[in-house]
Amino acid sequence: GAVVSQHPSRVICKSGTSVKIECRSLDFQATTMFWYRQFPKQSLMLMATSNEGSKATYEQGVEKDKFLINHASLTLSTLTVTSAHPEDSSFYICSVPATSLPPRDTQYFGPGTRLTVL
Amino acid sequence: QKEVEQNSGPLSVPEGAIASLNCTYSDRVSQSFFWYRQYSGKSPELIMSIYSNGDKEDGRFTAQLNKASQYVSLLIRDSQPSDSATYLCGAGGNNRKLIWGLGTSLAVNP
Repeated sequence: GAVVSQHPSRVICKSGTSVKIECRSLDFQATTMFWYRQFPKQSLMLMATSNEGSKATYEQGVEKDKFLINHASLTLSTLTVTSAHPEDSSFYICSVPATSLPPRDTQYFGPGTRLTVL
Repeated sequence: QKEVEQNSGPLSVPEGAIASLNCTYSDRVSQSFFWYRQYSGKSPELIMSIYSNGDKEDGRFTAQLNKASQYVSLLIRDSQPSDSATYLCGAGGNNRKLIWGLGTSLAVNP
């Protein structure tokens, strides 16, 4: 399968600071990437769709001014959690949908970023 | 509201047994279906994809799709303790999104 990297894998920050998470598609160009959040023992929650060269599309209830998404190139999307608070502590995972690679419609996930806000 | 439903479990099976995981979906337009495995603290990894009615086998895993009943299942033969994880069912939606179930926790007991 395709390789997707995320950086950092783990971050601890103080309340009120901003944290940037990078997602890179290493095997193919990605005009679209997805950002998920997962709280302990809960399922994946889609936060937003990152679109290369245009604004991200946010899911209902997700604050676009708090979770800034930038998809500046065909291999890189970033998620910035602004003014982080303890309730933002979660596991953030990006995924890249397969386009030219089979199986079709598959999403390849990055390894995830564990964010802890003190 | 498009939904994918799974029994949250936990499903507990003895080592060597067959584990059967089930999933139903609401959107009849969905054409692609996936099973992902997620270990605790890790991100999901693809186990199986299925697009046509019937069975698809890959090693110890068999995915079954019945579009008329809007039902997808995953069978794991000769279950191993290393299969203990949460299994997520996903159905293809619009704009390349996947609609996710809440996941079924599987415990394989030695």
